[in-house]
Amino acid sequence: SYELTQPRSVSVSPGQTARIPCSGDTLPKQYAYWYQQKPGQAPVVVIYKDSERPSGIPERFSGSSSGTTVTLTISGVQAEDEADYYCQSADSSDTSWVFGGGTKLTVL
Amino acid sequence: EVQLVQSGAEVKKPGESLKISCKGSGYRFTNYWIGWVRQMPGKGLEWMGIIYPGDSDTKYSPSFQGQVTISADKSITTAYLQWSSLKASDTAMYYCARRNEYAYFDFWGQGTLVTVSS
Repeated sequence: SYELTQPRSVSVSPGQTARIPCSGDTLPKQYAYWYQQKPGQAPVVVIYKDSERPSGIPERFSGSSSGTTVTLTISGVQAEDEADYYCQSADSSDTSWVFGGGTKLTVL
Repeated sequence: EVQLVQSGAEVKKPGESLKISCKGSGYRFTNYWIGWVRQMPGKGLEWMGIIYPGDSDTKYSPSFQGQVTISADKSITTAYLQWSSLKASDTAMYYCARRNEYAYFDFWGQGTLVTVSS
């Protein structure tokens, strides 16, 4: 079945920029979505359609796409951004969706 | 206010059947897809499948096709996830979520913890 690949972990110091990549064969043709999940909570979308930011999400969250890789960028990371981040997209036929394995962001 | 309220935690034995629910309110239930997401203990999110309550059109992840059944009763604005024969490996938190017009899950249920143990 279709897969999205993310690094297991990313670590940054407060105020630095965190970049979390996600790769998948259909990403050139399908939009990607990014979810943040904190312990004991349901996920929250932070980026949709590759680079759109929902209302209420801080401007430091941004998304980009290049070929088979999409990237979530968090500029000026804050302690509260420490969480698991998941990319999500669809297969080539748009009948099944998948999450990436998740990336644990640690704020040092 | 949009809300998805899931049924309570379940403890079952291997081989038993189970049906958990997700009741939507505060929006037109028939107009939005409802998806189910599994999260095994300490693990990541897994997209299981999705249903459109308006016509019961349902799509499954290949990983879950044949393992679970997703359904909905629009008369009571409730979606369901069911198993005919549980396994220990079904132990997980299960979330339902509404997919909005931009194709992302914008509202989530509180999760239903399913524990399968002999």
